[in-house]
Amino acid sequence: EVQLVESGGGLVKPGGSLRLSCAASGFTFSSYSMNWVRQAPGKGLEWVSSISSSSSYIYYADSVKGRFTISRDNAKNSLYLQMNSLRAEDTAVYYCARWTVGATQEGFDYWGQGTLVTVSS
Amino acid sequence: SYELTQPPSVSVSPGQTARITCSGDALPKQYAYWYQQKPGQAPVLVIYKDSERPSGIPERFSGSSSGTTVTLTISGVQAEDEADYYCQSADSSGTLVFGGGTKLTVL
Repeated sequence: EVQLVESGGGLVKPGGSLRLSCAASGFTFSSYSMNWVRQAPGKGLEWVSSISSSSSYIYYADSVKGRFTISRDNAKNSLYLQMNSLRAEDTAVYYCARWTVGATQEGFDYWGQGTLVTVSS
Repeated sequence: SYELTQPPSVSVSPGQTARITCSGDALPKQYAYWYQQKPGQAPVLVIYKDSERPSGIPERFSGSSSGTTVTLTISGVQAEDEADYYCQSADSSGTLVFGGGTKLTVL
């Protein structure tokens, strides 16, 4: 069974830092690109960042570019998001999501349960 | 930055057909994907590559594309289909984007 379990969320002051983790199991983690998607309270989904299977390709939304860093450790089946210079508008539930490419399915096919990040003084 | 535009809300009676649109300049060149999200839950992929349905998704869900607009159609809407629906695509640089979401209300 595919599982994605996020951790590391919490309350942080503006300007502070936080590191999110996503532990993956039930599939060959090193074969998939992975993403972070966030959702502010009562708002829609916002794609944050993606990283290819071998970390060769990394992309960021303009809203987090220069402040957030995505990384992965395929040996530990883990995805990370280092968040620096946090702002109130970064307050959201952060989801780890797997991107699948294939003949029978493509898209964000598995999501974690999310971890809440609150940026407030 | 690239944007996908969805109507904020759509309302239909049970058994009727719901159509949710998503507009974006790059949609003629990039596939669209649709996700269903119910309160307190993670999103679920319901349509991929404009019109393909993942296994396990009911046949009443379908997708289509015409020019800069893609459409999610739910035929014979059921009460359990009440949810937020999001389209998602990519721009030419590889960055991904979600539409603003559409709240489907089953009257």
